Amino acid sequence: AQSVTQLDSHVSVSEGTPVLLRCNYSSSYSPSLFWYVQHPNKGLQLLLKYTSAATLVKGINGFEAEFKKSETSFHLTKPSAHMSDAAEYFCVVSDPSGTYKYIFGTGTRLKVLA
Amino acid sequence: DTAVSQTPKYLVTQMGNDKSIKCEQNLGHDTMYWYKQDSKKFLKIMFSYNNKELIINETVPNRFSPKSPDKAHLNLHINSLELGDSAVYFCASSHGVSDTQYFGPGTRLTVL
Repeated sequence: AQSVTQLDSHVSVSEGTPVLLRCNYSSSYSPSLFWYVQHPNKGLQLLLKYTSAATLVKGINGFEAEFKKSETSFHLTKPSAHMSDAAEYFCVVSDPSGTYKYIFGTGTRLKVLA
Repeated sequence: DTAVSQTPKYLVTQMGNDKSIKCEQNLGHDTMYWYKQDSKKFLKIMFSYNNKELIINETVPNRFSPKSPDKAHLNLHINSLELGDSAVYFCASSHGVSDTQYFGPGTRLTVL
């Protein structure tokens, strides 16, 4: 069975400092992995996705994530946080062996301090 | 030119009522979904339709009934609303079942 674990429910960073949001997954097959962002009272926006091509994936707004099979991780990073990055971030795994349904992590709330 | 739209955005109703939420996508996608986000922000899939055919039906009370009149629309009807149904409901769509999903803005349902 697939699962995804977001290791931190809350992360606080100062504006201009790096962001690291951690995600570990469990999957019997080579999964597709995604990061979505949800700003307050908004829908979910796709940041980036991994689908077995390059292991370092670049997304929108300066975010990137690295797929590490040996560590079963897909951590999200950004070199320099901006106030507008404050939001809820979800790591998602999709199982290619079945219905491809999305399994969501529990989310990480990113707070950016001025 | 919103890609995935939902109506209404907010829905406040009494326990025991029946209500519907509508979803439309103009992306030409074949697959559509309904998700429930609870008060702790946890997201879980409820249903998925591909070419108007139900392909995912998670453990959801049968008070919830999705209906897909065509590939561009997926509506969610809820009978006999309960307090525990209060949540944000998101619609999503994808080109095919294995493709990236695009989400609507959500409908916040409050049952009093």
